[in-house]
Amino acid sequence: NAGVTQTPKFQVLKTGQSMTLQCAQDMNHEYMSWYRQDPGMGLRLIHYSVGAGITDQGEVPNGYNVSRSTTEDFPLRLLSAAPSQTSVYFCASSRGTRLPQETQYFGPGTRLLVL
Amino acid sequence: GNSVTQMEGPVTLSEEAFLTINCTYTATGYPSLFWYVQYPGEGLQLLLKATKADDKGSNKGFEATYRKETTSFHLEKGSVQVSDSAVYFCALETAGNKLTFGGGTRVLVKP
Repeated sequence: NAGVTQTPKFQVLKTGQSMTLQCAQDMNHEYMSWYRQDPGMGLRLIHYSVGAGITDQGEVPNGYNVSRSTTEDFPLRLLSAAPSQTSVYFCASSRGTRLPQETQYFGPGTRLLVL
Repeated sequence: GNSVTQMEGPVTLSEEAFLTINCTYTATGYPSLFWYVQYPGEGLQLLLKATKADDKGSNKGFEATYRKETTSFHLEKGSVQVSDSAVYFCALETAGNKLTFGGGTRVLVKP
């Protein structure tokens, strides 16, 4: 198993550009989520999905869109990048919310710099 | 709402020293508590967890006890190694796999 994979590892954008951060998992997990990591603030939940076709907002969803057309993939879209979106982005997955205290598996992260 | 507060770093230690990282939380309901570790250049890995009051989580020589009366989940290790250098995150979950993280504590262990 590759686990949770993310691409790209690093990206530089100009303000106003758009891009998609890719996330895939091969563990047949129902639950997937995106977090951003900023210094001193830990990780904050952006969006999450409890299964294919179902997404919902987390703590900091503004400026980001997601979709979940398959169980395996959960891309994060920035429609018009802003410097405030400079961060490290982590994708995570777990078996599902019906099971208590599920272990979440994190990808290696995407470092994004918006100029 | 839910929140997690942990001590700011960096924490610098010598090898074989005792490590404590404080973590306190505020939550509605009865949360599960976690410690995650992030090694340089990597994603987060679950280190240990506790799901109810007085539970003790342990892994790789690290321990943490769920203290409901003090709303705390302090991480301890009796003798650290250079390989323990990492960022440690305390987190809680109340429902639906959504985690609330603390700000992280960077630990540097010197030989």
